[in-house]
Amino acid sequence: DAGITQSPRHKVTETGTPVTLRCHQTENHRYMYWYRQDPGHGLRLIHYSYGVKDTDKGEVSDGYSVSRSKTEDFLLTLESATSSQTSVYFCAISVARGSYEQYFGPGTRLTVT
Amino acid sequence: DAKTTQPNSMESNEEEPVHLPCNHSTISGTDYIHWYRQLPSQGPEYVIHGLTSNVNNRMASLAIAEDRKSSTLILHRATLRDAAVYYCILRGLSQGGSEKLVFGKGTKLTVNP
Repeated sequence: DAGITQSPRHKVTETGTPVTLRCHQTENHRYMYWYRQDPGHGLRLIHYSYGVKDTDKGEVSDGYSVSRSKTEDFLLTLESATSSQTSVYFCAISVARGSYEQYFGPGTRLTVT
Repeated sequence: DAKTTQPNSMESNEEEPVHLPCNHSTISGTDYIHWYRQLPSQGPEYVIHGLTSNVNNRMASLAIAEDRKSSTLILHRATLRDAAVYYCILRGLSQGGSEKLVFGKGTKLTVNP
């Protein structure tokens, strides 16, 4: 299995509070991704990173920010959590874009009450 | 954006071949076709990918139409462990140069013993 961990694995938080999810990899892959998965929508890309301090938006980036200060860590922050951000969040890594496969972490289940 | 269309569900019997179709009629010349699967309560798992030619690996085969507007994932002998949601995904570059990842809704495969 690819060395990807996500923390926390489960979190319940209140509307309006900030939340940070962490993705950590031991593979030294350049690309890292954050997705959310909701019933009826499959997986949707939130943000991705193509190197330290290099990030770009995905299709559902509103309300989320990311940071990558080290190759191994990619943080996803909800500045002010809303109930619509209740979801399962997956991190993924890849050697490169285009033809290369992605390896996914175990996921973080976030509930915003 | 190029999108994929998959049947919502399919059913198969154990030890029989399974053909999972995917339509991507608006695929661009730089889009790779990837397949992933997701077991319950787990992150997605890479299965196979291709660009123009058919591909084989230890898990499955990928048949790509000559016009690239459709593809078929082939599981040669389904097992109970193959029961999962299968996603057909296009990976490529949008006109703006950003990474483009488009997930279909997935096909839920049921394998009967």
